[in-house]
Amino acid sequence: GQNIDQPTEMTATEGAIVQINCTYQTSGFNGLFWYQQHAGEAPTFLSYNVLDGLEEKGRFSSFLSRSKGYSYLLLKELQMKDSASYLCAVMDSNYQLIWGAGTKLIIKP
Amino acid sequence: GAVVSQHPSRVICKSGTSVKIECRSLDFQATTMFWYRQFPKQSLMLMATSNEGSKATYEQGVEKDKFLINHASLTLSTLTVTSAHPEDSSFYICSARGLAGADYEQYFGPGTRLTVT
Repeated sequence: GQNIDQPTEMTATEGAIVQINCTYQTSGFNGLFWYQQHAGEAPTFLSYNVLDGLEEKGRFSSFLSRSKGYSYLLLKELQMKDSASYLCAVMDSNYQLIWGAGTKLIIKP
Repeated sequence: GAVVSQHPSRVICKSGTSVKIECRSLDFQATTMFWYRQFPKQSLMLMATSNEGSKATYEQGVEKDKFLINHASLTLSTLTVTSAHPEDSSFYICSARGLAGADYEQYFGPGTRLTVT
């Protein structure tokens, strides 16, 4: 079966760094996405990785290792507005997105 | 660019009535639109995938006669919840994927909060 695993909840301090991990097992792979979702709102796109390595975009970076079925989202210089759920999703061989359950990130002052 | 709108943003209806939700891609042509449902504190659940001009493909466990999807044009898809019941109360989100060959990203609408009383 297809499976995406990520922690349910994480807590971090304003100004710090946090890493949210995601492991996956899917039928085929056409890329891994990270989305941010604030409560009561739709997800917004953060990153897309299809090749191994680190993609940096401002305060956010995303890493992928296809051989390990593993990705992480790294958030630096945390701000209170980063409090949200972070969703990991993998595009399978049929170009369907398989979604993780999301990681709720709580930022404390 | 790549804006997707949904209407209405919130709707309250009585049990047994039907509700239609519209999803529009405002500045691009969407060959494929996706309908998701999200219950509180849970992840997105794909309900169906629709391609313009063809019948929607429903995920296992989703009743196609209850959740009617129409994708009549490259910029509009509608989801009609028929004979709604309180357990259908949820956050319904659509997303759209564009025509461009390299356009892998799904663009999400803002969602529709449905409450069935």
